[in-house]
Amino acid sequence: NAGVTQTPKFQVLKTGQSMTLQCAQDMNHEYMSWYRQDPGMGLRLIHYSVGAGITDQGEVPNGYNVSRSTTEDFPLRLLSAAPSQTSVYFCASSDTGRAPLHFGNGTRLTVT
Amino acid sequence: AQTVTQSQPEMSVQEAETVTLSCTYDTSENNYYLFWYKQPPSRQMILVIRQEAYKQQNATENRFSVNFQKAAKSFSLKISDSQLGDTAMYFCAFMKPSGAGSYQLTFGKGTKLSVIP
Repeated sequence: NAGVTQTPKFQVLKTGQSMTLQCAQDMNHEYMSWYRQDPGMGLRLIHYSVGAGITDQGEVPNGYNVSRSTTEDFPLRLLSAAPSQTSVYFCASSDTGRAPLHFGNGTRLTVT
Repeated sequence: AQTVTQSQPEMSVQEAETVTLSCTYDTSENNYYLFWYKQPPSRQMILVIRQEAYKQQNATENRFSVNFQKAAKSFSLKISDSQLGDTAMYFCAFMKPSGAGSYQLTFGKGTKLSVIP
């Protein structure tokens, strides 16, 4: 049982490049989400999904796209990377609205 | 919208001593959940403790306990017998239990705790 798996662990992009951060969970959780963590800002919600085929925006969605074609996977896409997207990204999942989130180990992204 | 405030950006404590981290929040909800997460230098987010707002009894987990004051909207974390492994960033977080905004955590900005040998 791997929990929440994020890949890659580290990534460096040039401005304007695109990439996808991968997130997979093997706990059959309905709820998945993406957060970004910036120094002095805590974690902020980017996008979330309450089940396959359903996604919605969080607090800071601009510049990011998501899709949820399966229960297990919830990729985060950066269409045209900007230096302001330099951050640590966390994927998290939960099985109910009462349960704590399970977090992946994060992806450190640097955009130059 | 909910807000979570951690007023102590950094704290330090001697090994084996007790330390309390503060957290206040603002919400119009009556039912909700509060959490403390620990983030050591490894970057992993680890759940420390959880409190349901409808429960009057304060949650405890071994050396970790909370002081939940619902009327004051305060949720402090007490760490007893501090250990070097407690050195980490600590985040307070709020979650609605159902309806719009459920499953979503609102985090404070964190308190960096250093345990001194």
